[in-house]
Amino acid sequence: DAGITQSPRHKVTETGTPVTLRCHQTENHRYMYWYRQDPGHGLRLIHYSYGVKDTDKGEVSDGYSVSRSKTEDFLLTLESATSSQTSVYFCAISDRENQETQYFGPGTRLLVL
Amino acid sequence: AQSVTQPDIHITVSEGASLELRCNYSYGATPYLFWYVQSPGQGLQLLLKYFSGDTLVQGIKGFEAEFKRSQSSFNLRKPSVHWSDAAEYFCAVGAYAAGNKLTFGGGTRVLVKP
Repeated sequence: DAGITQSPRHKVTETGTPVTLRCHQTENHRYMYWYRQDPGHGLRLIHYSYGVKDTDKGEVSDGYSVSRSKTEDFLLTLESATSSQTSVYFCAISDRENQETQYFGPGTRLLVL
Repeated sequence: AQSVTQPDIHITVSEGASLELRCNYSYGATPYLFWYVQSPGQGLQLLLKYFSGDTLVQGIKGFEAEFKRSQSSFNLRKPSVHWSDAAEYFCAVGAYAAGNKLTFGGGTRVLVKP
């Protein structure tokens, strides 16, 4: 299994509060991704990174920001959480030799009240 | 833009019976295609992938998938289902030209009857 951890694994927060989710990898992979999973939608890409300080938006990026100051860490921030951001969030990384294959972390379940 | 359709939201199959999950994609060039499986409360595990070459690909846990360019399909099959195959299955399409981004289908939940 790829060395990917996500923290926290579960979080309950209130509308309007900031939330930061962390993805940590031990594989030294260049590409990292944040997805959200909602019933009937599969996984949808929020943001991704193709190197330290290099990030770009995915299809559902509104209300989210990311940062990557080190190869191993990719942070997802909800600046002001809303109930529509209640979801399960997955981080993924791409294999260096085979960039098209993504490996997923265990997920973070976020509830915004 | 890439898109993926999994027409079946739920499938119920008896243990020992065969299973086929459908996946149709839309992409202008040759895509990279993946099947992932997610057990309840777990992350996604890669079952198999197609990049090029032989259109019938073998994966883990006895699964296989066939890429059919003419039908824009990448259906997943297993000859004999085990109770442990009960899970949700996701088809995904990616392309290097799209920044390695993946687009997922909505998923198919498989229930296995004893």
